[in-house]
Amino acid sequence: GAVVSQHPSRVICKSGTSVKIECRSLDFQATTMFWYRQFPKQSLMLMATSNEGSKATYEQGVEKDKFLINHASLTLSTLTVTSAHPEDSSFYICSAYLPSYNEQFFGPGTRLTVL
Amino acid sequence: DAKTTQPNSMESNEEEPVHLPCNHSTISGTDYIHWYRQLPSQGPEYVIHGLTSNVNNRMASLAIAEDRKSSTLILHRATLRDAAVYYCILRDRTNAGNMLTFGGGTRLMVKP
Repeated sequence: GAVVSQHPSRVICKSGTSVKIECRSLDFQATTMFWYRQFPKQSLMLMATSNEGSKATYEQGVEKDKFLINHASLTLSTLTVTSAHPEDSSFYICSAYLPSYNEQFFGPGTRLTVL
Repeated sequence: DAKTTQPNSMESNEEEPVHLPCNHSTISGTDYIHWYRQLPSQGPEYVIHGLTSNVNNRMASLAIAEDRKSSTLILHRATLRDAAVYYCILRDRTNAGNMLTFGGGTRLMVKP
C-alpha cells in the first residue's frame, strides 16, 4: 500500500508552452500533497503544499501564477507549469501524506526538459 | 524545523555494514527523526523513523543517542542497490502532515 504515482515520468516541451503533471495516491486518500523541485546534484526544495478543496500554500520565491496547483480530489493533485522556459527544466516530485502512517510517500518524479 | 548535519558522502564495500551518522544538536522534544533515501532518478523512499528508542525494520536500524542530539542509520549488509542519497530529517510530531525540509544528505557509494 501507500503508492504514489506521477504522470508523465518524462516530458520535453518547447519554450512558452504549458505542461501539466499529475500526482495520484493509488490506494489511499490524501488530504495533503506536496510538490518539490530538484535541480541536478541538489537536494529537494519544497515548492508548495496542496490541500484538497482549498488553495495551495506556496513557499517563498515560488510564483503561484506560474506553477498552478489544483487538488480537486483526495487522490489527485496537479501541477501546471505555465509558459515554461529552459530554467524551469528540473525534476518535479510530489508526495502525499498518509495520516494513519504519519508519513509522506513520494512519487517517482517527473523530469521536465524545456527546449 | 531544526537543522541536521550529515557527511556529504561515504563509501562502503558490498555486504559490509554501513553506519550513516546525523547530527541534530538543536533537536526539540517533539521532533521525530526521519530517514529517507533517494535512488538515482527516483523520488525519495521512506526508510525509518524514531523518537527516542532505537528502531528496527526490514530495511535498516536507527540508533538514537541518549541525548537525541545525534543518530545513526545502520544498513546491516550493504548491497549495490543501497547506493543512494540518504537524508536525515527532523519533523515536529505536533505537525503531523507538515512538510519535510531536505538537507544535502549523504551520498552512499557501495563498491562491489
